Amino acid sequence: GAVVSQHPSRVICKSGTSVKIECRSLDFQATTMFWYRQFPKKSLMLMATSNEGSKATYEQGVEKDKFLINHASLTLSTLTVTSAHPEDSSFYICSARDRDSTYEQYFGPGTRLTVT
Amino acid sequence: DAKTTQPPSMDCAEGRAANLPCNHSTISGNEYVYWYRQIHSQGPQYIIHGLKNNETNEMASLIITEDRKSSTLILPHATLRDTAVYYCIAVSGGYQKVTFGTGTKLQVIP
Repeated sequence: GAVVSQHPSRVICKSGTSVKIECRSLDFQATTMFWYRQFPKKSLMLMATSNEGSKATYEQGVEKDKFLINHASLTLSTLTVTSAHPEDSSFYICSARDRDSTYEQYFGPGTRLTVT
Repeated sequence: DAKTTQPPSMDCAEGRAANLPCNHSTISGNEYVYWYRQIHSQGPQYIIHGLKNNETNEMASLIITEDRKSSTLILPHATLRDTAVYYCIAVSGGYQKVTFGTGTKLQVIP
């Protein structure tokens, strides 16, 4: 089946620094990737939708200058949390839609970010 | 996309069938019913989806009512590894994005 990977799986950073999270589709090409954030005991919240080669579309309330998304190729999207603060500590999950499938979407294993 | 309503939690004895209900009374004609599950601290896992007809795969069965206002996910023989949060989602044709609700926390009991 289709596999989506994320790197790193866990990261701890100091307040004020920036962190980059990678999302890769390993055996399929993804024209669209999605980024979610999940706080403890809460559901996944969609942050943004990124299409290969174009600017990401952010959900209401998500700061585009703080959460930089780049989708430069059909297999890679990156999320950079800039000037991270403790309240940005969360579980970040990406998903990718198979270019050759209308509806299928595959999720990565998630990245646990802790900002100290 | 249509809003879905699920019970917050359910228990099921190991080896028995787990029946997880979902209401989607405002679903439109071009919206599919998708089910995902999330085991603690992992990414969501696709289970099954359907439009009108009942569907079955190696993981589960999906029963959709004739009026499409509700559906039931059936795990025929629940195991301890099926303990997870199960999400029922209505996704429109064209599949622009997936919005998660609060889901049902299924606890399989030995």
